[in-house]
This record gives sequence, structure tokens and C-alpha cells, in this order.
Amino acid sequence: NAGVTQTPKFQVLKTGQSMTLQCAQDMNHEYMSWYRQDPGMGLRLIHYSVGAGITDQGEVPNGYNVSRSTTEDFPLRLLSAAPSQTSVYFCASNSQTGVGQNEQFFGPGTRLTVL
Amino acid sequence: DQQVKQNSPSLSVQEGRISILNCDYTNSMFDYFLWYKKYPAEGPTFLISISSIKDKNEDGRFTVFLNKSAKHLSLHIVPSQPGDSAVYFCAASDGNFNKFYFGSGTKLNVKP
Repeated sequence: NAGVTQTPKFQVLKTGQSMTLQCAQDMNHEYMSWYRQDPGMGLRLIHYSVGAGITDQGEVPNGYNVSRSTTEDFPLRLLSAAPSQTSVYFCASNSQTGVGQNEQFFGPGTRLTVL
Repeated sequence: DQQVKQNSPSLSVQEGRISILNCDYTNSMFDYFLWYKKYPAEGPTFLISISSIKDKNEDGRFTVFLNKSAKHLSLHIVPSQPGDSAVYFCAASDGNFNKFYFGSGTKLNVKP
């Protein structure tokens, strides 16, 4: 199993450009999430999905869109990039298995710089 | 306002000694807590978890303690090893397991 994969690893955008960060998992997990990591702020939830066709907002959703057309894929779209979106983005997936093992599995991250 | 807080940005310990990382939370609905370890340029990886029905969970050198009345949890690493040097995040869930709230992380440095 590849686990959670993210592309690209690095990206530089100019203000106003749009792009899509890709995320895929091969563990048949129903839950998927996007986080951003900023210095001193930890991981903040952007959007999450509880299954194909179902998405919801997290703590910091503004400026981002998501969709979940398949169980495997959960792309994150930046509609009009702003310097405040410079961050490291992590995708994660998990499955509710009952008491004990409900941890998220994370991808390697995408480092995004917006000039 | 952050619902999960790690008030120590960094911690330095000597190899072989105990490392104690602390985490506080404000939401009394949280009933499942996790610790993740993160190396530079990698995603976080799961370390250990605890349900609110327990006050302690052990896994090898790692033990997590939960004090529900104080809304406080801690991660003990004994003995600490240089390979434990990483950023440690605590996280909490209200049981739905589709939303997790993370602290800001503590950078642990274990000196040889």
C-alpha cells in the first residue's frame, strides 16, 4: 500500500493564480481531511469529508474548495492564491474502527509559497 | 481560540532520561486523544492514543496519561533516545473521528 500520497511536493504561485493540490489514499478510508501547518499554529483543519460526495468546513476554510467524487481522492483547490496561504499542506485519512485505533494517516505534505 | 494547547514550544533532555510533553484542552466533549510525531519534511505519524475511559495507556517506551478533571494529558518517553528528537503534536476528537483538533506542537531535542 502506498498509504496517503500528495502531489506536488513543492509549488510556487503568484498572487491570484489558482491551483489544485492532489491527495489520494489506497486504504479504503471513509474519512479524509486537509490541514495547513503554520509556525506556532500547529495543524489547522481546512476541510474534511466523511465519504464520497460529502464534505464540510473545518476551522480555516476560507479561500479553499474541496470535492470528493471517489473514496480514494480528495483534491484541495485554491481559487485565487494569496500570500496568507503560504504554508505546508497535509492530507490525512482515517477509518472509524471502534475504540482504540482511530488515528489519521498523513501524506508527506505540499510546501506552497505564494508570492 | 485553540481548543488544544501545547504551551511548551521546545524541550531538551539528555539521552536516557525521561521526556515529559504536556497538552491541555478546553472542550469537555473531547473523549479521544492522540499523540503524533513529526520529522522535518515528513507528515505526522501516529504514536499513541488514549480514550477518556482510561487514565493511562502504555506502548513500550511511551506512556500517555489523561487527567480529565484537569483537562490535561501528558506523554512520557522513558528512556529518551536521540531518534526521538522530533516535533510532537497532541490531538483530540469528540468521538466522531472525522474532526481532530491539534495543538501547536513541542519540539523535543534529545542530546546524546
